[in-house]
Amino acid sequence: DTEVTQTPKHLVMGMTNKKSLKCEQHMGHRAMYWYKQKAKKPPELMFVYSYEKLSINESVPSRFSPECPNSSLLNLHLHALQPEDSALYLCASSQDIQLTYGYTFGSGTRLTVV
Amino acid sequence: GDSVTQMEGPVTLSEEAFLTINCTYTATGYPSLFWYVQYPGEGLQLLLKATKADDKGSNKGFEATYRKETTSFHLEKGSVQVSDSAVYFCALTGGENYGQNFVFGPGTRLSVLP
Repeated sequence: DTEVTQTPKHLVMGMTNKKSLKCEQHMGHRAMYWYKQKAKKPPELMFVYSYEKLSINESVPSRFSPECPNSSLLNLHLHALQPEDSALYLCASSQDIQLTYGYTFGSGTRLTVV
Repeated sequence: GDSVTQMEGPVTLSEEAFLTINCTYTATGYPSLFWYVQYPGEGLQLLLKATKADDKGSNKGFEATYRKETTSFHLEKGSVQVSDSAVYFCALTGGENYGQNFVFGPGTRLSVLP
């Protein structure tokens, strides 16, 4: 298995809703990442987990809450989002945070906040 | 800090034309260099990489050579197809933020016309 699987592929949520994005990999990678990508822009790093511990939080608002229940799973809990949070959310994994071999990205969740 | 510059496009070519997308970088140390491709509605896929000076990465007819003297990693393909229409991101890791993050270029949108 050489894939990163993200669910759901599309999500529409209201500003008062609570939802979660899920990411799963079975490549034995020990680092997992959340990225946010706006249209026509490169991805922007949000969070890094290394060996299931939060390693980097790029000053992301608290309405985004990451969770890494085990080495294969990564969640992003969403609460009280704003319309400007609408974007493509990408999960990625790598063998470790040295990134020598690069990332494997999932296909993303396209989030629309209404 | 580390940075990646690439032609932003859009680049429009006819099928079977020769493709060059320029990428130059600024980094301390000895970064690894990558090209990622993002097809419409999808996540990023690793296209090719090079980890040291003079290395040539190649995949699916695409090539790029790590040129330390010119700090460049230009992407080339001899004969593009309509299916190559996508956004191409040049990226590096292992500069001053070794082991922490990728630095992405702004992306180059390629459209190939039949």
